[in-house]
Amino acid sequence: SAVISQKPSRDICQRGTSLTIQCQVDSQVTMMFWYRQQPGQSLTLIATANQGSEATYESGFVIDKFPISRPNLTFSTLTVSNMSPEDSSIYLCSVGTSGGAIEQYFGPGTRLTVT
Amino acid sequence: QKEVEQNSGPLSVPEGAIASLNCTYSDRGSQSFFWYRQYSGKSPELIMSIYSNGDKEDGRFTAQLNKASQYVSLLIRDSQPSDSATYLCAVNMGGGSYIPTFGRGTSLIVHP
Repeated sequence: SAVISQKPSRDICQRGTSLTIQCQVDSQVTMMFWYRQQPGQSLTLIATANQGSEATYESGFVIDKFPISRPNLTFSTLTVSNMSPEDSSIYLCSVGTSGGAIEQYFGPGTRLTVT
Repeated sequence: QKEVEQNSGPLSVPEGAIASLNCTYSDRGSQSFFWYRQYSGKSPELIMSIYSNGDKEDGRFTAQLNKASQYVSLLIRDSQPSDSATYLCAVNMGGGSYIPTFGRGTSLIVHP
């Protein structure tokens, strides 16, 4: 499986500011995803990061709030914009295998606290 | 709305026992099923995938799938304290989406 790193691992931010999270994979992958996991909750898919085109967002998530870049097949960023305390969460990037059955491998996550 | 349901637990079992984790899903057309393990403070890791009815064994883990009953389970034999974690069920529900839907997870505690 691919080795996935994320930066930063954690951060404490003030409301109204923005944070960009980086996800780096050690091999080229077609599918990259961004998830949010709030304390005690399961994973919520934010968007699919598409290389060379705009990300595909899930219901309830918009590009203005969570802009995503995917400049190549090994790297993606997620920005959490104009943050509020409700954005405090763990943000995870994952990569998926192809072929119709998506097995996913997750990065270590970014723990974000908004004060 | 397509859903994946798991009992949140915690499920507490003694060391050496069999732990049985269950998951039901709403979409009869689902094709792919996954179990992830998530230790506290860590990210999920894939431990099993299953695509056909029946059992699939991998070491101490057995995944069981019954599509007619829309039910998938994970058995952990000879449970160890190191198995204590949250187990997430994920189901590819089809319908044009290839991305699995995750359940809320079941917390497993294996006590010595």
